[in-house]
Amino acid sequence: GDSVTQMEGPVTLSEEAFLTINCTYTATGYPSLFWYVQYPGEGLQLLLKATKADDKGSNKGFEATYRKETTSFHLEKGSVQVSDSAVYFCALSDVGGAQKLVFGQGTRLTINP
Amino acid sequence: DVKVTQSSRYLVKRTGEKVFLECVQDMDHENMFWYRQDPGLGLRLIYFSYDVKMKEKGDIPEGYSVSREKKERFSLILESASTNQTSMYLCASSFPGREQFFGPGTRLTVL
Repeated sequence: GDSVTQMEGPVTLSEEAFLTINCTYTATGYPSLFWYVQYPGEGLQLLLKATKADDKGSNKGFEATYRKETTSFHLEKGSVQVSDSAVYFCALSDVGGAQKLVFGQGTRLTINP
Repeated sequence: DVKVTQSSRYLVKRTGEKVFLECVQDMDHENMFWYRQDPGLGLRLIYFSYDVKMKEKGDIPEGYSVSREKKERFSLILESASTNQTSMYLCASSFPGREQFFGPGTRLTVL
């Protein structure tokens, strides 16, 4: 079945550092890809998405590009802030139907001032 | 703003009790979902519903059932709670083919 693999955490960085969180997927067909973020004590929020190959999703300074040839959707940010500390989930969904999501295991990110 | 609310943030129950987790959304979404979140495992889909009274099993339905009598409300039922059902439960809703919106979660502890 479909699956998503994220880099293992936790990840700890200093403020203003460059961030990469790796995400690769296995799927039949052409799924949509998502990054969700979960701040402490809250539910998940959609951070960005891409629906087809070579699409770039971006939001709040974060970016990810849908790479079909490497089946990857890595999350990047050029300069992280303390407020970016959260758990990040990569996910994919089927193109049609109810759009069930398959999630990676999550990566906990801590940014130190 | 889309709002998905869950009936409790924290819940403590005893083994063998029947447990109801309620989820309500206010955006007229057709689809609703129940996930559980465990450290190192990410989110796993328990059940989902694409219309009133319609439901489908997700990846880990064993020990759970669901009810959707009204479009805005989706209930998760643990018929006889067990300690291995201690977890964070997240509800989500969406229009078909669109992003899912999540509630704040219910942290359930089964003693």
